[in-house]
Amino acid sequence: KQEVTQIPAALSVPEGENLVLNCSFTDSAIYNLQWFRQDPGKGLTSLLLIQSSQREQTSGRLNASLDKSSGRSTLYIAASQPGDSATYLCAVSGNTGKLIFGQGTTLQVKP
Amino acid sequence: DTGVSQNPRHKITKRGQNVTFRCDPISEHNRLYWYRQTLGQGPEFLTYFQNEAQLEKSRLLSDRFSAERPKGSFSTLEIQRTEQGDSAMYLCASRRGTGGDYNEQFFGPGTRLTVL
Repeated sequence: KQEVTQIPAALSVPEGENLVLNCSFTDSAIYNLQWFRQDPGKGLTSLLLIQSSQREQTSGRLNASLDKSSGRSTLYIAASQPGDSATYLCAVSGNTGKLIFGQGTTLQVKP
Repeated sequence: DTGVSQNPRHKITKRGQNVTFRCDPISEHNRLYWYRQTLGQGPEFLTYFQNEAQLEKSRLLSDRFSAERPKGSFSTLEIQRTEQGDSAMYLCASRRGTGGDYNEQFFGPGTRLTVL
């Protein structure tokens, strides 16, 4: 059974810092790994999708890496801003496309 | 705006009542997924459709829950005889493809259910 773990559960940093969020999964037989952002009481916004054959994806200040063999992914956020404050969720999918999520990392960026 | 819409956005009901939620996916997406998210947790898979066919149901989906996707367009999720433990955010997502591919999944804003 696939399990996804995210560390840390919560993180507070001053504005401008670079930071790394971690995600690990137990079964390496995945098709995709997707990172999402969720604001309080809202739905999920897709940030980055990494296909199982890829090593990383970049979008603006965000960079996500994938090491499928070790079951790990990281989301790197450069030059953090208060507007980055949210919960970040990692999810993996297999051949049905259904997503298995971690519990999320709640990020607070202080001005 | 991801293009997936859900209605209602909020629903408050009394224990024992029936509720129904609606999801309208992105129009060209043939796969539709339902998830449930409780406070402080990541979303958990409930069920999914390929066009109008319901292909998988989680063990979380008790016999009080039923989902449909008539004509492969919008989907409804009904909960009968609601219980306080059903209080959660219900999320709908859609994507292209038939699985076993690399397509992105897009989520709606969710329906927050509160059972009193």
